[in-house]
Amino acid sequence: AQSVTQLGSHVSVSEGALVLLRCNYSSSVPPYLFWYVQYPNQGLQLLLKYTSAATLVKGINGFEAEFKKSETSFHLTKPSAHMSDAAEYFCAVSEGGNQFYFGTGTSLTVIP
Amino acid sequence: ETGVTQTPRHLVMGMTNKKSLKCEQHLGHNAMYWYKQSAKKPLELMFVYNFKEQTENNSVPSRFSPECPNSSHLFLHLHTLQPEDSALYLCASSQGGGDSYNEQFFGPGTRLTVL
Repeated sequence: AQSVTQLGSHVSVSEGALVLLRCNYSSSVPPYLFWYVQYPNQGLQLLLKYTSAATLVKGINGFEAEFKKSETSFHLTKPSAHMSDAAEYFCAVSEGGNQFYFGTGTSLTVIP
Repeated sequence: ETGVTQTPRHLVMGMTNKKSLKCEQHLGHNAMYWYKQSAKKPLELMFVYNFKEQTENNSVPSRFSPECPNSSHLFLHLHTLQPEDSALYLCASSQGGGDSYNEQFFGPGTRLTVL
């Protein structure tokens, strides 16, 4: 069975600092990987996705993520945090079909 | 309306009530999903419909009953719920009959409180 682990349920960074949100997955086959963001009182919005093309994926709002098969990781990064980045971030994985597996989420706080 | 809409946004109900959640997608997608989002837990996939046919039912209690009359509309009928069913219920849709490389588009959710 698939599983997704997001290390750190809460991450705080200073405005302008590097954002690093961690995601590890378990999969017996090359997976499809996604990062979503959820702002208060809203649904999830796709930030980026990996579908077996380039291992470094660029998304919206300056975010990017790198697929590392050897580490079974898909960490999300942004070089410089902005106040508007404060939100809940979810990593998701799928091997195919209609089943998507989500992590428990990481709440990002940006300190002025 | 654009994207995925859900009504109502908030719902408070007693354990003996019957209510329904509605989801509508304006994206021309073929697959629709219901998720339950509880605090400190991963999103739980409840139901999946492809081309109006239910393809997934992840051991959801029968007090939750989905209905998909067409590819644009999805309902979740609720009856005799328990307090632990209180959560944010999210609807999503995707293209391509549910192929997983096609991302899901989410609605804003319905915040359900069961008293």
